[in-house]
Amino acid sequence: QQQVKQSPQSLIVQKGGIPIINCAYENTAFDYFPWYQQFPGKGPALLIAIRPDVSEKKEGRFTISFNKSAKQFSLHIMDSQPGDSATYFCAAKVGGADGLTFGKGTHLIIQP
Amino acid sequence: DTGVSQDPRHKITKRGQNVTFRCDPISEHNRLYWYRQTLGQGPEFLTYFQNEAQLEKSRLLSDRFSAERPKGSFSTLEIQRTEQGDSAMYLCASSLVLSEETQYFGPGTRLLVL
Repeated sequence: QQQVKQSPQSLIVQKGGIPIINCAYENTAFDYFPWYQQFPGKGPALLIAIRPDVSEKKEGRFTISFNKSAKQFSLHIMDSQPGDSATYFCAAKVGGADGLTFGKGTHLIIQP
Repeated sequence: DTGVSQDPRHKITKRGQNVTFRCDPISEHNRLYWYRQTLGQGPEFLTYFQNEAQLEKSRLLSDRFSAERPKGSFSTLEIQRTEQGDSAMYLCASSLVLSEETQYFGPGTRLLVL
């Protein structure tokens, strides 16, 4: 059973556009929702994270929107640049237990 | 560089051989995690340590897998009698207990079992 469903699988956006990646979860015990960025041959790097008591969080060009009732959250990348081309993973965690549960990833390409 | 380091970065082995990977966490990080990532998938949690104690093991961690963190610093992950299905990227991450959600990942060890 996949506990975190991520879409789309791949996404192509023109430079300056706003790619949006969506995730849905099932386990209501999750209380921490991070997004990771991964370049080929590298480990995932934490971008931004949110807790369910907040509906939106911005850090630089990255924004997380969170809808607790719908059990969904999304990542928006403002003013996207070719250097943002990478694979993005959403994840979720139950506080104090286990590791992170990851989505399957979105391969994002920003065209110049 | 004071990030998480992993060694080796790449390992090719024949089916049936044993392999061991090493992870050095960020200094003073008392939690250490192992994940496995197959091509086109997100990382999957395998196990984690708090200091030297192994606190949780995923059902993905079969009896052929064993992890240790003997002195609460570096950790090793051993796979015995490797199978082709073990081919994957093995990722290590570390965190502080007080901010345990903020996990910093290493570059991974890519294993290919022939």
